[in-house]
Amino acid sequence: NAGVTQTPKFRVLKTGQSMTLLCAQDMNHEYMYWYRQDPGMGLRLIHYSVGEGTTAKGEVPDGYNVSRLKKQNFLLGLESAAPSQTSVYFCASSENNEQFFGPGTRLTVL
Amino acid sequence: KQEVTQIPAALSVPEGENLVLNCSFTDSAIYNLQWFRQDPGKGLTSLLLIQSSQREQTSGRLNASLDKSSGRSTLYIAASQPGDSATYLCAVCVAGNKLTFGGGTRVLVKP
Repeated sequence: NAGVTQTPKFRVLKTGQSMTLLCAQDMNHEYMYWYRQDPGMGLRLIHYSVGEGTTAKGEVPDGYNVSRLKKQNFLLGLESAAPSQTSVYFCASSENNEQFFGPGTRLTVL
Repeated sequence: KQEVTQIPAALSVPEGENLVLNCSFTDSAIYNLQWFRQDPGKGLTSLLLIQSSQREQTSGRLNASLDKSSGRSTLYIAASQPGDSATYLCAVCVAGNKLTFGGGTRVLVKP
């Protein structure tokens, strides 16, 4: 089992560019999540999904969109990147209320 | 709104000493509490999960306690080693299967 994987590991964008972060899990979990981690702010929930075809907003959803077309994949999109979105992004999936995290994507927006 | 606090933010101990990490939360209506370890530049590794009905959970040198009524959890790491140096995060699971994280405690174990 690969667990939770994230693509890409690093990315540098210019302000206004768009990109999609991919999260994949092979544990057949229903729930999936996207977090961002910033110094002094801890991990904050962006969006989450309780099953294929569903999405919901978390604590800091503005500027992001998500899609869960397949159970194993959860995509996070930035339509027009801003420097405030410079962060480390983590994906997680869960079963029985225990969450398992991916290795993260470090995103820099110039 | 649930708030999770971890004090201290950083801790330095000599090798062999026992570590005591604290986590407090404001709303006792939780499903469980998870402790994670994060190494620099890496993801989160789950260490222990305590269900709301449990008082403690143990794995090897790690022991975590939960006092839901007072909104506290403590992670004990016995006989610390330099390899235990990392940031330790606690998170509480609330309605909707969502986690609220504390800010973490950065631990340095000196040889």
